[in-house]
Amino acid sequence: KQEVTQIPAALSVPEGENLVLNCSFTDSAIYNLQWFRQDPGKGLTSLLLIQSSQREQTSGRLNASLDKSSGRSTLYIAASQPGDSATYLCAVRGYSGGSNYKLTFGKGTLLTVNP
Amino acid sequence: GAVVSQHPSRVICKSGTSVKIECRSLDFQATTMFWYRQFPKKSLMLMATSNEGSKATYEQGVEKDKFLINHASLTLSTLTVTSAHPEDSSFYICSARDHRTGLLNEKLFFGSGTQLSVL
Repeated sequence: KQEVTQIPAALSVPEGENLVLNCSFTDSAIYNLQWFRQDPGKGLTSLLLIQSSQREQTSGRLNASLDKSSGRSTLYIAASQPGDSATYLCAVRGYSGGSNYKLTFGKGTLLTVNP
Repeated sequence: GAVVSQHPSRVICKSGTSVKIECRSLDFQATTMFWYRQFPKKSLMLMATSNEGSKATYEQGVEKDKFLINHASLTLSTLTVTSAHPEDSSFYICSARDHRTGLLNEKLFFGSGTQLSVL
């Protein structure tokens, strides 16, 4: 059974700092890994998707890396801003076949960027 | 990106009543939709996979008679919590798969969630 762990559970940084969020998963047989952002009481917004064959993906100030063999991914946020404050979720898609698309989520990292 | 609309965003009901939550894909057809449940400070847990025109597939431990799922069209899936009890209080989120995307490159698009509070 796939398990996804995110460290730290919460992180508070001053504005402008670069930061790294960590995600680890127990079963390396994955199709892809996604990082999501969730604002309080809201749904999820997909930030980056990394296929199992890829090592990293970049979007603006965000960079996500994937080391499938070791079961790890990191989300790097450069020059953090107060608007980045949210919960960041990591999710992996395993081999479930057919039309299913089962994502296993971590509990998330609550990020607070202080002005 | 694609838009998924979920309604209502918040509902408070009395114990024993049934609550229906709607999930609509606004600008794409979704052959598959997913329903998740999220407890405070916990992971999102997949409850069921909803396939248009067929029965939903429920995850282990999820009562299908309690959480009724209907996916009658390519743009709408509904989750009905029947005879709700306080322990059903949770945040429910739907997501939809855009059938036009390739299998390996596809992303899921999420609704904004429904906070259910059962008194």
